[in-house]
Amino acid sequence: GAGVSQTPSNKVTEKGKYVELRCDPISGHTALYWYRQSLGQGPEFLIYFQGTGAADDSGLPNDRFFAVRPEGSVSTLKIQRTERGDSAVYLCASSPWAGTPLTGELFFGEGSRLTVL
Amino acid sequence: QKEVEQNSGPLSVPEGAIASLNCTYSDRGSQSFFWYRQYSGKSPELIMSIYSNGDKEDGRFTAQLNKASQYVSLLIRDSQPSDSATYLCAVNPRVESGGGADGLTFGKGTHLIIQP
Repeated sequence: GAGVSQTPSNKVTEKGKYVELRCDPISGHTALYWYRQSLGQGPEFLIYFQGTGAADDSGLPNDRFFAVRPEGSVSTLKIQRTERGDSAVYLCASSPWAGTPLTGELFFGEGSRLTVL
Repeated sequence: QKEVEQNSGPLSVPEGAIASLNCTYSDRGSQSFFWYRQYSGKSPELIMSIYSNGDKEDGRFTAQLNKASQYVSLLIRDSQPSDSATYLCAVNPRVESGGGADGLTFGKGTHLIIQP
């Protein structure tokens, strides 16, 4: 596809369950970012991949959150033992310009809305 | 602690007028600055980037940067109802040298309403 694709668009789960959110970036974009956005807030940085490796995971809130990008394209954000406070829209973004001054010019997907009951 | 501050609004502007959106940031080492537009229920979309002091114009949009005052603004001329959205200011604190990047720090956004 032409844009960043995220699945599922909506996920409702129960407290304590495991969740996976998938992101397929724009073809050829080496940089991939995960953000989390709560209602009335701006996006909050979680993790950044350059290729297959996590270049910066300083935004992950705790060890229940983990993300992978094994082949340098599709990424999966994994949340273990979900809590009600994890409810948010999880946004994925990609960029062809990581490592240049244009870093920050991101292309966002439509997000995965996670609701933890 | 890196912070980006915006007035959450709502900011109400009559159609055809100039909308002025403001943003301040705390990290004096910040190097690049961005404005994203987010319609309700949609994802952010980049509308302007600015990297040096002064003004940068693109169509009806003008971004202004003053690093000494740690201040970024966005002006929208001839405002249209379709400009009604939340405008997110974002800051990247690092000069990129190929060694990786922090993620952007976003403000909470300013909700702009253009009244017909």
